[in-house]
Amino acid sequence: AQSVTQLDSQVPVFEEAPVELRCNYSSSVSVYLFWYVQYPNQGLQLLLKYLSGSTLVKGINGFEAEFNKSQTSFHLRKPSVHISDTAEYFCAVSGGSSGNTPLVFGKGTRLSVIA
Amino acid sequence: NAGVMQNPRHLVRRRGQEARLRCSPVKGHSHVYWYRQLPEEGLKFMVYLQKENIIDESGMPKERFSAEFPKEGPSILRIQQVVRGDSAAYFCASSPGGANQPQHFGDGTRLSIL
Repeated sequence: AQSVTQLDSQVPVFEEAPVELRCNYSSSVSVYLFWYVQYPNQGLQLLLKYLSGSTLVKGINGFEAEFNKSQTSFHLRKPSVHISDTAEYFCAVSGGSSGNTPLVFGKGTRLSVIA
Repeated sequence: NAGVMQNPRHLVRRRGQEARLRCSPVKGHSHVYWYRQLPEEGLKFMVYLQKENIIDESGMPKERFSAEFPKEGPSILRIQQVVRGDSAAYFCASSPGGANQPQHFGDGTRLSIL
């Protein structure tokens, strides 16, 4: 069975500082990896995805993530955060050769950007 | 292009009543997923449907919960005889099918049980 661990439930960071949100997964098969962002009272918006190829993936809003197969990690990074980045971030995995499988989510990391 | 549309956004029911949650996928998407989010928790998978078929319902409680995705019209998640523990945000996602296609999420229905 697949599982996703987001090691930090809350991450406070000052505006314009860099941030890393950690995500580790476990799976016995090849996986697809995703980061989603959720703003209050809204649904989830896709930030970026890793399907195959280059292990460094760039997404929207200046975020990027690096897939590390040996460490089974997919950490999300941004070099300089803005107040508007305050939100909940979810790492998710789906498995197998098709993307048409249910997503398994981590419990989320609440990013709070401080002015 | 309209995204995934869920209604109602908020739903209040008394214990024992029925709750019906609707989801219209992105136009052209034939795969629908339902997830439940409890406070301070991530989303948990409930059921995966393609048009007129349930593909995977391994996350759905065995009793009181059902889902459908008819040939015409939205997908419906139905909860009969609701209890306090059903209070949660329910999210629908859709995808067009095929590998490499991420899921697109609606804004959710927040269900409150009195």
